[in-house]
Amino acid sequence: ETGVTQSPTHLIKTRGQQVTLRCSSQSGHNTVSWYQQALGQGPQFIFQYYREEENGRGNFPPRFSGLQFPNYSSELNVNALELDDSALYLCASSLGVTGGVKNQPQHFGDGTRLSIL
Amino acid sequence: QKEVEQNSGPLSVPEGAIASLNCTYSDRGSQSFFWYRQYSGKSPELIMSIYSNGDKEDGRFTAQLNKASQYVSLLIRDSQPSDSATYLCAGNSGSRLTFGEGTQLTVNP
Repeated sequence: ETGVTQSPTHLIKTRGQQVTLRCSSQSGHNTVSWYQQALGQGPQFIFQYYREEENGRGNFPPRFSGLQFPNYSSELNVNALELDDSALYLCASSLGVTGGVKNQPQHFGDGTRLSIL
Repeated sequence: QKEVEQNSGPLSVPEGAIASLNCTYSDRGSQSFFWYRQYSGKSPELIMSIYSNGDKEDGRFTAQLNKASQYVSLLIRDSQPSDSATYLCAGNSGSRLTFGEGTQLTVNP
C-alpha cells in the first residue's frame, strides 16, 4: 500500500512569489485535505477536495487555492506569498466523505516545509 | 474559546509510568476524535481513533471519549522513551479536522 507522498520536501520563496505544492493520496483514498502547521501549533485546516470538488474550506484567504485530479492527487497553490505563510504544509488523504456519524481517519504525508524570505 | 483544547505541557513521566493526555472540545457536532503523534520535524501519525462514548484500547494506548462532558483522553501505559513526542488531539465535524495545539510528552529513562 502506497502512503501519502508530497513534493517538494523543502522550498524557499520570496515575498510576492507564487508556489505550487503537490500531493499524491494513499492508494484507495479519494479525499485530500490540506493543512498549514506553524511552528509550535497544531495543523490548521485549509480545504478539502473530494471527487475533484472543494468540499469545505477553512479560514484562509482566496490566494490559497487548490485542485484535485481524476487520479485523486492534488495541488495547493498560494499566490502573493507573505512572510506569515512560512510553515509546514501537510496533505492528508482519507476514504470517502461521510459527513455523518463516522468520519474516516486522515493519514498525513511528510509535508512540505515552506520558507518565505 | 478554542474549539479543541489540550492540557498544557510539557508533560514529563518516568519510563514505565502511565502518561495521561487530555483534551476538551466545544463543537457538539463533532462525531469522531483522533489522536496523532508527531515527532519533532515529522508529520502527524495516527495512533488512535474513537467514535463512541467509552474506552477503546489498542496495545499500550487507551482512548476515552465522553461526549456529555466533551472530553477526550489518551492513556499510554508502560511509557517508553520512544513515546517522547507531541500528541495532537483532533475532532472531526464534516470535512475538517480541528486540532488542539498539542501536548509535548517526554519519557525519561
